[in-house]
Amino acid sequence: SQTIHQWPATLVQPVGSPLSLECTVEGTSNPNLYWYRQAAGRGLQLLFYSVGIGQISSEVPQNLSASRPQDRQFILSSKKLLLSDSGFYLCAWSVGLAGLTDTQYFGPGTRLTVL
Amino acid sequence: QKEVEQNSGPLSVPEGAIASLNCTYSDRGSQSFFWYRQYSGKSPELIMFIYSNGDKEDGRFTAQLNKASQYVSLLIRDSQPSDSATYLCAALFSSGSARQLTFGSGTQLTVLP
Repeated sequence: SQTIHQWPATLVQPVGSPLSLECTVEGTSNPNLYWYRQAAGRGLQLLFYSVGIGQISSEVPQNLSASRPQDRQFILSSKKLLLSDSGFYLCAWSVGLAGLTDTQYFGPGTRLTVL
Repeated sequence: QKEVEQNSGPLSVPEGAIASLNCTYSDRGSQSFFWYRQYSGKSPELIMFIYSNGDKEDGRFTAQLNKASQYVSLLIRDSQPSDSATYLCAALFSSGSARQLTFGSGTQLTVLP
């Protein structure tokens, strides 16, 4: 069965510091991978998605970036965090070829607080 | 602009009652719709998806889709206190080489014992 991991689970960082969040998927090959952010009491905002190694699409212009160095690894980064970057960061995967039933499954998330 | 709208709630129902959660979407190109449950502090879990007009049942859950009205709903029968959570509605659409989900802001449900 497929499993998705994220780390760290929680993170407290000062404004201006760098960020690296990691997501890995097990039990599947060539998944579509997604990064979402959920602000407190809000819905999910898609940040980046990737359909393959080195292929990244950005949905929201901001000071975040994403990379996919391996098939089942997705990394979210920032060089300098802003207060507005605080939130719950979720990684998700999908098969990508399932048509109307292309279901996304979420990792446990990383709760980031920028002080 | 692809939008998914949900009543934010909170919605309270007594234990054993039917909870009805509603969702509307703006993009007629959206073809599939997903319901996720999110407990406080946790990540979303898939409940079910629907892409054909009509009803789809899975245990105590029934999803309903009306494409003409651009309306999706989720019914929870015999509601239990463990169903207390935020329910997220999402619409799937194609964008470039991937399919993307647009999420509503969620409806908070409380089932009272």
